[in-house]
Parts: sequence; structure tokens; C-alpha cells
Amino acid sequence: DTAVSQTPKYLVTQMGNDKSIKCEQNLGHDTMYWYKQDSKKFLKIMFSYNNKELIINETVPNRFSPKSPDKAHLNLHINSLELGDSAVYFCASSQDGGSVGQPNEKLFFGSGTQLSVL
Amino acid sequence: AQSVAQPEDQVNVAEGNPLTVKCTYSVSGNPYLFWYVQYPNRGLQFLLKYITGDNLVKGSYGFEAEFNKSQTSFHLKKPSALVSDSALYFCAVRDKGSDYKLSFGAGTTVTVRA
Repeated sequence: DTAVSQTPKYLVTQMGNDKSIKCEQNLGHDTMYWYKQDSKKFLKIMFSYNNKELIINETVPNRFSPKSPDKAHLNLHINSLELGDSAVYFCASSQDGGSVGQPNEKLFFGSGTQLSVL
Repeated sequence: AQSVAQPEDQVNVAEGNPLTVKCTYSVSGNPYLFWYVQYPNRGLQFLLKYITGDNLVKGSYGFEAEFNKSQTSFHLKKPSALVSDSALYFCAVRDKGSDYKLSFGAGTTVTVRA
């Protein structure tokens, strides 16, 4: 069984559309993340949830909205897609998010969603 | 503030030769340090981490990294590289005094030629 699975693997859409990417982890982890990897492979965190509570919310457009219905799922909804949103989006999870003084447990990544906005 | 720099975009080595991927970090306090590897069309995979204690950390696939506080470095090393080590390598850091957020470097592409 895949530990962190995200769907779809590829997403090609027109500017202005609304789309969602789904992520599920079966590791029993408490913390889940969304990362964006741009065309230069630079990796930047977008959001993190710990036990369904938002703990990291980086400076991303409010067109991006994460939703965590339960600990095992963290979905990413994107409104009014723009050309600059084209990237690979990675979901990840960890047992612990790493509170002050406590080290992060290692992250487990999904295989990515390649989003292309035309 | 915390940040990490990987000064080399690319590293090319011959199979069987030693491999080093450089990483330097900047934190206001003490760091937690990590290395991840990304194979083509895959998500990142954890290699190793430094939390505290012994400066030499051993990880997966024969990799190790040495924490050097005076040089603020955490270079990844492998004594004898394999063609299958060809991948994109990321260093990451978190200040122990902050919470949750890892900062990743820009990545270093390693190519091991047969």
C-alpha cells in the first residue's frame, strides 16, 4: 500500500478554472503538508495541518485553500487558476510536526501532482 | 530566520569515486538538519538527520553527513558513488527554537557516470 497517495498525478486545465488535489496518508501520522516545487525544483512549504488544525500558512494567494476533513486527509483546492500556478505539488506527512524544542520526524512524501495551467 | 544554501547546482562524479554534496545553514539558535533525495518523477525520500550528539550521522543507502558547527555546514558524503545515486538532493534546516517549519535548499543534482 502506498503510504502517501495524492490524486491526480497530472492535471492540465485552463486559466480561471477551479481544481482540487486530494491527499491521503495511511501511516497514522498527525501532521500533513502541502509543498510546491517550481520549474527550477525549488521546494516551498505552503500549508501544514496537525490533527486537523492549521499550523503553517505561508504567504500564498488566498485562491489556495487547504481542507483537512480528518487526520488522514489533506486536500488542496485552487480557485481561479493562473499560469504561475503551474508546478508540481507535493503532499507529505510526518508523525509529529516538530513543536518548539522537538525535532521534526521525517517527512513522507507523495509522488506529486504535476499541474499545468494553459 | 533560518535558511540553507546548497552552493552547487550540479555535482558530477565517476562511479566508485567519493561523492560530496555541500550544504551550509543559517539559524539564530541551534539547528535540526536533514537530507532528502528526489528521484525523477518521485517525491522526496528521507536520507538522514542531525538532532544532537555525534557530529557524524549515518543514513540510508550508505550516505553519511557531518555536522560542523563552526563552519555551519552539513555536507552529505558517500565513500563510493553508484550510478543509482544519480538524483536531486535537498538539504533542510529548522531552528530548534522555532516550530514546525523546515526550510529546504534549492537542491543539488548529482550525476554519477558509469
